[in-house]
This record gives sequence, structure tokens and C-alpha cells, in this order.
Amino acid sequence: DTAVSQTPKYLVTQMGNDKSIKCEQNLGHDTMYWYKQDSKKFLKIMFSYNNKELIINETVPNRFSPKSPDKAHLNLHINSLELGDSAVYFCASSLKGAEKLFFGSGTQLSVL
Amino acid sequence: DAKTTQPPSMDCAEGRAANLPCNHSTISGNEYVYWYRQIHSQGPQYIIHGLKNNETNEMASLIITEDRKSSTLILPHATLRDTAVYYCIVRVAGGGADGLTFGKGTHLIIQP
Repeated sequence: DTAVSQTPKYLVTQMGNDKSIKCEQNLGHDTMYWYKQDSKKFLKIMFSYNNKELIINETVPNRFSPKSPDKAHLNLHINSLELGDSAVYFCASSLKGAEKLFFGSGTQLSVL
Repeated sequence: DAKTTQPPSMDCAEGRAANLPCNHSTISGNEYVYWYRQIHSQGPQYIIHGLKNNETNEMASLIITEDRKSSTLILPHATLRDTAVYYCIVRVAGGGADGLTFGKGTHLIIQP
């Protein structure tokens, strides 16, 4: 069973559209994250949630809105997609303060 | 901003030990050294972490200098599947839900 699963794996869409990426973890973790990896391969944290509460919001445009319906899920909604949003988005989870983060396999978003 | 410095790339022959250096001269007393790797098209994967003592697990060994200003990750018998980008990260243990800050990492290429 996949520990941290993201869907879809690939997402191709037009500028201006609204899209969502889903993330689920079955590890019993209480903290979940979204990271963005751009074309230069830099990995940057976007958000973190602990027990469904937003902890970190790293200067991300408000077109990006994470939603955590429960501790096992953290979905990422993106409104009015722009060309610069093209990247690979990784979901991750951990126990709060724990050493290990477990990452999903990524969602490659291409905005045309 | 990443607090570590790593060489951008390294080569290693298959079957030999791969030694990946990391400088973290501004590390604080309560910060640990973490290593993650990212194999192509996958999410980052935890390898090992340590404070000041050398650490070993089934994946690798971590050697931290006595002054803690640098460390070396050792993959004892590198295989082709170890080709990846390796990230050295310093972070306060129990750092809450603040996730990890990734630098540029070292692209390790294992040669057959």
C-alpha cells in the first residue's frame, strides 16, 4: 500500500482554469505538507497543516488554497492557473516534529 | 534559505563507496543534520540523520566532524539505483510542523 498517494500524477490544463490535486496518507501522521519543485529542481515548501490547522503558508499566491478535510487528506486547489504554475507538486506527511517526512510521488502540472 | 553547501555533482563507480560531503559551518547546537535523496521522477526519501555522533542504518552511514561544521554521507557499496540528488539539511529536531528546507543538493551519478 502506498503511504502517501497523490492524484493525478500528470495534469495538463489551459491557463485560467481551476484545478485540484489530491493527497492522502495512510501512515497515521498528523502533519501534511505541499512542496513545489520548479523547472530548476528547487524544492520549496508551500504549506503545512497540523491536525487540519494551517501552520505554514510560504508567500504563496492566494490562488492556491489548501484544504484539509481530515488529518489523512490535504488537497491543493489552484484557481486561475498561470504558466508559472507549471511544476511538480509533492505532498508529504510526518508526525509533528518527527525527523522523517514521507513524500508522495508528485504531480506534474503543465499549464499551456 | 539552505544552511548547507554541497558540491553540485559527483561521480562514483558501481560497487565502490560513495562519499558525499556537506558543509554546515553555521549549524547551531540544537540542529541536526538530515540527509534525503531524490531519485529521478520520485519524491524525496529520508536516508539518515544525526546530531554529533556517527550514525549508521541499512542505507548509509553519517560521519559528523567533531566541530559539527561538516559531515559526510557514505553509501558503502553504491549501485546504479543510488543515482539521485542527495540533499543535506540542518534542522532543529522536534521543529514542529515547519517541514524541511531543501538546498540544491549533490547529483550523484553511479557509473557502471
